[in-house]
Amino acid sequence: GEDVEQSLFLSVREGDSSVINCTYTDSSSTYLYWYKQEPGAGLQLLTYIFSNMDMKQDQRLTVLLNKKDKHLSLRIADTQTGDSAIYFCAESGSGNTGKLIFGQGTTLQVKP
Amino acid sequence: EAGVAQSPRYKIIEKRQSVAFWCNPISGHATLYWYQQILGQGPKLLIQFQNNGVVDDSQLPKDRFSAERLKGVDSTLKIQPAKLEDSAVYLCASSFAQARETQYFGPGTRLLVL
Repeated sequence: GEDVEQSLFLSVREGDSSVINCTYTDSSSTYLYWYKQEPGAGLQLLTYIFSNMDMKQDQRLTVLLNKKDKHLSLRIADTQTGDSAIYFCAESGSGNTGKLIFGQGTTLQVKP
Repeated sequence: EAGVAQSPRYKIIEKRQSVAFWCNPISGHATLYWYQQILGQGPKLLIQFQNNGVVDDSQLPKDRFSAERLKGVDSTLKIQPAKLEDSAVYLCASSFAQARETQYFGPGTRLLVL
């Protein structure tokens, strides 16, 4: 089946690095995504990684993919108070239809 | 470029009443998705349209939920009759094509069923 699991809460100090972890079950997923949701807002795509890659870097964001362990992580360098939000991991699932399967979200709290 | 528009932003109804939500995708986007996000959970796909045809509605509770996308542009999602457990945020997203395309999300409609 298709399932995505995330830890629920992470608290860091401003300027530190944040690492948000995710595990997924569908090994046939072609893409894995990280979305950000601020209070009262929709989801904003942060970054994504193709399943044949093991790392992708985009400015302050680094995505690591361990396909053997079905583990995905998002590292945010120099975390700012504006990074406080809920972060969702999502997999594209089987069938390549565009359907996304989301985790339950990790709330990131950044303390000044 | 205008984003995905949704209305209303908030709705409060009593159980057994009906409610409808509207979504206008980004211009030119062929694929439209409706997700349900219950508090504390990630979004769950309810229905996916490709133009005006349904691609996936396997998780849509068809005894009470219905959706349409006439002319392959705007879409409406209806709940009739509503239950308490339907309280959630209903998110609409669109993408240019199906797979491998970024989905752009609207701000959502927050529904509270009393």
